[in-house]
Order: sequence, then structure tokens, then C-alpha cells
Amino acid sequence: GNSVTQMEGPVTLSEEAFLTINCTYTATGYPSLFWYVQYPGEGLQLLLKATKADDKGSNKGFEATYRKETTSFHLEKGSVQVSDSAVYFCALIVRAGGTSYGKLTFGQGTILTVHP
Amino acid sequence: ETGVTQTPRHLVMGMTNKKSLKCEQHLGHNAMYWYKQSAKKPLELMFVYSLEERVENNSVPSRFSPECPNSSHLFLHLHTLQPEDSALYLCASSQEERTDTQYFGPGTRLTVL
Repeated sequence: GNSVTQMEGPVTLSEEAFLTINCTYTATGYPSLFWYVQYPGEGLQLLLKATKADDKGSNKGFEATYRKETTSFHLEKGSVQVSDSAVYFCALIVRAGGTSYGKLTFGQGTILTVHP
Repeated sequence: ETGVTQTPRHLVMGMTNKKSLKCEQHLGHNAMYWYKQSAKKPLELMFVYSLEERVENNSVPSRFSPECPNSSHLFLHLHTLQPEDSALYLCASSQEERTDTQYFGPGTRLTVL
């Protein structure tokens, strides 16, 4: 089956520190990979995505590269801000043959807290 | 109003009550989803509707009953729930056959007493 494993949190950083949140996956087939972010009291927002090997997704200073050889999609940001404090979810979709919809499989989420 | 909206944002109900959660998407999508987010557990897919037809029921107990009257609206009818059903219920939508990206609503925080 499909699964996503994220590094356990919580992660606590000072402002302007470098961020890495590790994500590895197992999938049957060729998944699309996503990072979603959930701010306190809100739903999930798509942060970035990559649909094939070696693609790099980027948004708001965050980046992640689809590494097929290591089955990884690690999230990075060079300089975090207090406003980046949130829960980050790695996820994948593999389309089953003949279906017209995608089923997201999520990791357990990583809580990030950034202090001034 | 844009995006995916959910009402109510918070709901407290007793185990014998009947209530409904509502989701509306303003994105012109043709697939809608219900997810359950419990503390310390990964998000769980509950139901998928594609072109207003239920295509996935992820072993969800019958006390949860979804309804999709049209491509813009999705309901989750609740009856005789248990305290362990307390969670954040998230609705999402996507435009299938074009993109795998799902767009989420803010969720309904449900507490079952």
C-alpha cells in the first residue's frame, strides 16, 4: 500500500534559521507529491507540489525536490519567520487505474514553532 | 465567496442528536471529499464523490451518512455518534482529470459529549 512518513516533531526554531522537514514515501505506481500547511484554527492549504521525479516545487520561500531514487520529498526553507509556525503535512496521490479521482495519503504532520 | 467553505465551524452534540455538516465549493470542481482529522493520527479519507456519485467509502461507520445533491455541495449527516468521533472534519474538492490538487475548507470542529 501507499504510505508517507514524516520526521517527528515538534520542531522549534529561532527566526531566520534554516528549516528541513524530512518526508519519505512508499507507493505503488508513480505518485504526485505535496506539502500542505495548516495554520492554527484553519484547514489545510496547499504549499507546493511536484508531479514527477526531479521536479522541484516551490512557494513562499519553501522548496521540495521529488527524489525517486531515495523516495523522498524533504521540505526546506532558508530563513523561517514567526508566521511560518504551523503544522506541515507531506502527502501523495497515486491514481488507481480507471479512476477519475485521486486519494491523498498523508503523513502524520510536523508541528513547527518559530520564536522571535 | 471563493474557495471551499464549511459550516458550522464548531459543533457540540450529544450522542443521541442528529446534525449535519455542510460543505460548499465555489471553484467549479467535480470531485468532493470528506476527511477526518483526529489528534495524533494522520488525516483519514472518509468519502469521495466524483461527478455527484459516491465512489469511495473508506470503511466508515453507518452513523456517518454523506450526501452530494450537486457538484457544489456536500453534506455529512451525523446520528448517534460516539465521543471518539470528536475530531476536525475537513471537506476538500478537486477538478479531476486535470489536476491532482485538492483544495480544503477550514473544517468543522466536532465535539461529541
